[in-house]
Amino acid sequence: AQSVTQLDSHVSVSEGTPVLLRCNYSSSYSPSLFWYVQHPNKGLQLLLKYTSAATLVKGINGFEAEFKKSETSFHLTKPSAHMSDAAEYFCVVTHSGGYQKVTFGTGTKLQVIP
Amino acid sequence: DTAVSQTPKYLVTQMGNDKSIKCEQNLGHDTMYWYKQDSKKFLKIMFSYNNKELIINETVPNRFSPKSPDKAHLNLHINSLELGDSAVYFCASTPGQGKNTQYFGPGTRLTVL
Repeated sequence: AQSVTQLDSHVSVSEGTPVLLRCNYSSSYSPSLFWYVQHPNKGLQLLLKYTSAATLVKGINGFEAEFKKSETSFHLTKPSAHMSDAAEYFCVVTHSGGYQKVTFGTGTKLQVIP
Repeated sequence: DTAVSQTPKYLVTQMGNDKSIKCEQNLGHDTMYWYKQDSKKFLKIMFSYNNKELIINETVPNRFSPKSPDKAHLNLHINSLELGDSAVYFCASTPGQGKNTQYFGPGTRLTVL
C-alpha cells in the first residue's frame, strides 16, 4: 500500500521569498517520488524526480527537493518565488511492485503575491 | 511535435449521451494511463494499459470502457454520461512499468449538462 499527503492545500508567499511545499509519503516498496506542476488550464509538467540516486534532487525553474527516508518526506523548495511559479503542485509516489502503482497527492495551490 | 495528444480538448454534452476521448503518444512508450481530475484538482488514476493489455482498473464504473488498438493509442469511451462525470481527463504514458516519469497530455475538459 502507498499514500501521499500534501500537508497544505494552499500556500501563499511574497515574490522573492522562499517557497516550501510539504509532502509526506508511505510505501511498502522502495518508492520513486515526483513533483509535478500544473498551471491554470494546462496539463501537468514534471518538475523533478527521485529514483534512489542522490537524495537532493534539482529540478527545473530553480526548484529542488530532498528525499528524507527517516522522515518519509519529499518537500519541495525554491529560494526565491517568482510570479510565474503560481500554480498547483502535485507530489506523486510510484513503485514497480508487479506493476507501476501511481498515487497522486491532493495538490498544493501556490499563490505568489507581488 | 506533441508527445502526448488528446482530442477533443473540450467536450460539452447532455446527460445520457455516449462520448469518446482519444489519446495518442508518439514517444514509443509501452504504458498508457487515464486519469480523472475533479473540480478540487484531485487526480485519480482510472486505467492503465501496457502493450495494449489492461493492467490497472481502479474501480471505475463499467460505463467507462478504455480501448487500446495499439500501444500508441488509448481511447476512453463513456456510456450514459452523468453529471458527476464532469471533470478534466488526462492521458499519460511511461516507457514501461518501472518507476518512470509520466508524460501527460493537455487534458480534455468534459462538461455534462
